[in-house]
Amino acid sequence: QKEVEQNSGPLSVPEGAIASLNCTYSDRVSQSFFWYRQYSGKSPELIMSIYSNGDKEDGRFTAQLNKASQYVSLLIRDSQPSDSATYLCAVRGGTYKYIFGTGTRLKVLA
Amino acid sequence: DGGITQSPKYLFRKEGQNVTLSCEQNLNHDAMYWYRQDPGQGLRLIYYSQIVNDFQKGDIAEGYSVSREKKESFPLTVTSAQKNPTAFYLCASSPGRDTQYFGPGTRLTVL
Repeated sequence: QKEVEQNSGPLSVPEGAIASLNCTYSDRVSQSFFWYRQYSGKSPELIMSIYSNGDKEDGRFTAQLNKASQYVSLLIRDSQPSDSATYLCAVRGGTYKYIFGTGTRLKVLA
Repeated sequence: DGGITQSPKYLFRKEGQNVTLSCEQNLNHDAMYWYRQDPGQGLRLIYYSQIVNDFQKGDIAEGYSVSREKKESFPLTVTSAQKNPTAFYLCASSPGRDTQYFGPGTRLTVL
């Protein structure tokens, strides 16, 4: 079992719709959770970080964390073609190491 | 202008050569990291350093070496022992146990 799992996609949504990206992790002691956006050929950029159960909203983005189910998700409201990218989920446990999923490719159709 | 810089942006290596990738940060972050990304794959940790003069192997350290002589610098050497070095190399830093920030990356190709 991979430590951080994501569906590779592509996930296709029409412009203006809500995109829902999901991530599961295996280490129960994980403490911090991050979503990064990576455009083709570029480095990852931080979208959201979340540390406690529940929802965290920032503009069109909402991160949701459920530690009991070991599940973290990212919702993108009013999706735009510029949101088309690969979204990486990252998890940090009790050390300095971060574990990344392989990413979900999102395509927003105009 | 704060941030993380990596150089060069593109690097070509001949078989049997060692090459060094530069990573510099002026964010005053304690921790620095090197990752490798292959097409269609996630990030794999090569080495990380929590403080100056100390570093730890990541999941794929074989064929790589690092140094951390200054807080702001964490160069990565890809040695001839790394048999398949063609990849996108990403350097990151973080202020302790918090969010990582990435540099722009170096794309290494073996000729």
